[in-house]
Amino acid sequence: DGGITQSPKYLFRKEGQNVTLSCEQNLNHDAMYWYRQDPGQGLRLIYYSQIVNDFQKGDIAEGYSVSREKKESFPLTVTSAQKNPTAFYLCASSAPGTGHSYEQYFGPGTRLTVT
Amino acid sequence: AQSVTQLDSQVPVFEEAPVELRCNYSSSVSVYLFWYVQYPNQGLQLLLKYLSGSTLVKGINGFEAEFNKSQTSFHLRKPSVHISDTAEYFCAVSDNTDKLIFGTGTRLQVFP
Repeated sequence: DGGITQSPKYLFRKEGQNVTLSCEQNLNHDAMYWYRQDPGQGLRLIYYSQIVNDFQKGDIAEGYSVSREKKESFPLTVTSAQKNPTAFYLCASSAPGTGHSYEQYFGPGTRLTVT
Repeated sequence: AQSVTQLDSQVPVFEEAPVELRCNYSSSVSVYLFWYVQYPNQGLQLLLKYLSGSTLVKGINGFEAEFNKSQTSFHLRKPSVHISDTAEYFCAVSDNTDKLIFGTGTRLQVFP
């Protein structure tokens, strides 16, 4: 089955530690995205990548980093510089410009708790 | 700049009653519009989308939405809800770029 996988589902870290969230897709999509979700705030874009080896900051990139070495993978690192990292993180992908009309497909999410 | 407003943060409704979840957008160009549903601790699933053509769009699970260009709205409706429709619903807009702008969500709570 084609889709997006995120691992792990739940992640616990101590304050001051960096942590990397995994996102893999087998939909052959060029574009991938990371969102942060907090109660009552909807989805906020952290980073996105339109093509391998290229990515752009979203609205709330501070304290986060990404890489896009393979088309299928777009890992997100939450660094110790992120002041309030506890949140639900969603990865998505899309195939813009191919008639798919920018519809995004989402993974199941990772809930990160930092104490 | 684009924006999406979901006026109701929560909508309580009894089972088998009709429901409307409101969404307004602002954009100076033609847009694509989407409604997504999110069940607790899960990702988002596409309910329906408006790209062009007929302004009444039908989606999964019996939902439909109507695009109204003059009122810049894209309200989501269902004539009879079920307990299983309890979830959070997000409206989103794209102005033909590769990014979506999401509203803050509406939590639909269906009571027996």
